[in-house]
Amino acid sequence: EAGVAQSPRYKIIEKRQSVAFWCNPISGHATLYWYQQILGQGPKLLIQFQNNGVVDDSQLPKDRFSAERLKGVDSTLKIQPAKLEDSAVYLCASSPFMESTEAFFGQGTRLTVV
Amino acid sequence: QKEVEQNSGPLSVPEGAIASLNCTYSDRVSQSFFWYRQYSGKSPELIMSIYSNGDKEDGRFTAQLNKASQYVSLLIRDSQPSDSATYLCAVKGSFQKLVFGTGTRLLVSP
Repeated sequence: EAGVAQSPRYKIIEKRQSVAFWCNPISGHATLYWYQQILGQGPKLLIQFQNNGVVDDSQLPKDRFSAERLKGVDSTLKIQPAKLEDSAVYLCASSPFMESTEAFFGQGTRLTVV
Repeated sequence: QKEVEQNSGPLSVPEGAIASLNCTYSDRVSQSFFWYRQYSGKSPELIMSIYSNGDKEDGRFTAQLNKASQYVSLLIRDSQPSDSATYLCAVKGSFQKLVFGTGTRLLVSP
């Protein structure tokens, strides 16, 4: 079974530029999560989708971050414009359905904003 | 109050000892609890899940849950240097939101 796929693996951009991350969850997984993990901290939930609907985006900085999950499969997370403090690893995870057990993580995208 | 709290450590134990990791959570309706291990530069990987009060054992790992005290713990017996990593406690609370603690860094010395 293929795992959660994320791209790119690494990205370096200048502040005020825009960037997008892509996630392909495990086939059939209805729930998709985006997390931000700053060095030395635990993953912080940015947004949670159930199919293509948003369940929770309370910690998503909506003035600069946006996310979508078209057709309930792939998802894209965008930052525009980026700030220095956005430097982090962005992790995508999926699970079969909301009441399920664990979430499976992709390899993450390491973003450096200079 | 943070939703999920962990001591950031580091927790240092000698090889062969028992490592005890603790976690508390604030959402009383939480039903699912997980321990993930994260090596430096890698993504979190699940090592234990627990859903009911009491103990759950899997090899060298034992998870303990006390919902009345809103407390979850992980015991690692016969700790090995390869167990050195950050251990993340995760809780599924209201609306199945999956929230992580800050993680406890474990160092196992040979």
